[in-house]
This record gives sequence, C-alpha cells and structure tokens, in this order.
Amino acid sequence: QSALTQPASVSGSPGQSITISCAGTSTDVDNYNYVSWYQQHPGKAPKLMIYDVSNRPSGVSNRFSGSKSGSTASLTISGLQAEDEAHYYCSSYTTTSTLFGGGTKVTVL
Amino acid sequence: QVQLQESGPGLVKPSETLSLTCTVSGGSISSYYWSWIRQPPGKGLEWIGQIYYSGRTNYNPSLKRRVTMSVDTSKNQFSLKLSSVTAADTAVYYCARGGVVAENWGQGTLVTVSS
Repeated sequence: QSALTQPASVSGSPGQSITISCAGTSTDVDNYNYVSWYQQHPGKAPKLMIYDVSNRPSGVSNRFSGSKSGSTASLTISGLQAEDEAHYYCSSYTTTSTLFGGGTKVTVL
Repeated sequence: QVQLQESGPGLVKPSETLSLTCTVSGGSISSYYWSWIRQPPGKGLEWIGQIYYSGRTNYNPSLKRRVTMSVDTSKNQFSLKLSSVTAADTAVYYCARGGVVAENWGQGTLVTVSS
C-alpha cells in the first residue's frame, strides 16, 4: 500500500490561513470517514489534532479544522502562529490497515 | 491523563528480534486498542499494527510476516516483537492508545539495528 500523498512543504505569514492536502484513493480516504491529522514538533512525539475527518480533541485550538472531499482530505490552520511551525501528518483507515501520509513541513514566515 | 512509556534495548543486531514494551499508567489497558508506530530518522510515520486488550491484532501487511504483538492486562502493558531486523528497521518506535486514531502517544524510543 502506498502512503497518502501530502505536499512536502507549506508556508504562510502569521495571521494567514493555510491548507494542507492529503490525497488518498477509493480504498482509504474516499471510502472511510476515519481521517486523522497529527502535529509533530522536532524531537517530540506526534500530537493528535483532528480525528474522524473534522473532529477536534479536547484542548486543540479551534484554529485547526479538517474536511474531506472525495479521496482528498484537508487540514486548515487559520490565524497562523509561530507555534504552528511543525510537521503535520494525515492518516486514514484502509480496508486492511492504517496509512500515514508522507508529512508536510509547515513554515511560519 | 493516560501516559505511555516505551522500554527495551536501544541496539539490536541484524537478523535478531527487536522487543519493546509499552507500560500504560493513569488508566486501564482494558477496553481500548493500542498501537505501535515507527519513524525512521528524518522520515515519516509508519503504522506497524494494533492490538485490542482482548489480544485481537491487526498488522501492517508489509510487516505482518515479522510482527507479533501481545498484551498483559495484569501489568497494564503491551509489547512488540519484530523479527529478522535489518538496518531499515532503525527508527524511533512509538506506542499509542487507539487503533485507527492514535489519541495519546509515548515519548518514543530509538532502536538502532547495527552489528
């Protein structure tokens, strides 16, 4: 199974909004509403930011939102802040396992 | 708040078996799925597999032949064994609560495969 496809990098200025895409197929993203997003700062463990496409765990800022259209899921960060600079990974349930995307480096300019 | 801690050898020889344990504190291991996820240095995340507290497992098809997971509810621990390791298995190994959704993560432990 191939990893989900994410852009290698996305950047934005403080206060702006950015969107990270996560492209899958009919056997994963398109077929299940089980897309999650994780934030990872250098040297740290990943942190769950979004689950089941668009749900935020308790304590996660409402500046983070998720959506899905067909086989592509998206994570939007609004009001970009310096602390948002990190790697972001999407994941999706599949018919046989769980897949991760290759990761996107978010840079705050 | 549940906490997870990985433990095990940081260095494993090629062709040998990697063994890690995850100890869960601040909550019961029962009634949840538990996962292992790894991250090679400088690379992305790879799902290894998951185990339910009852012992039911689901593994990454690409690793299935070499992976065994188990759970010990009496110790609130679950474990990973990966056999016939090579340098490509060098990674930070994370344990996490949840199956499809990894809600809480351990800090991770680096396992290097080298002679």
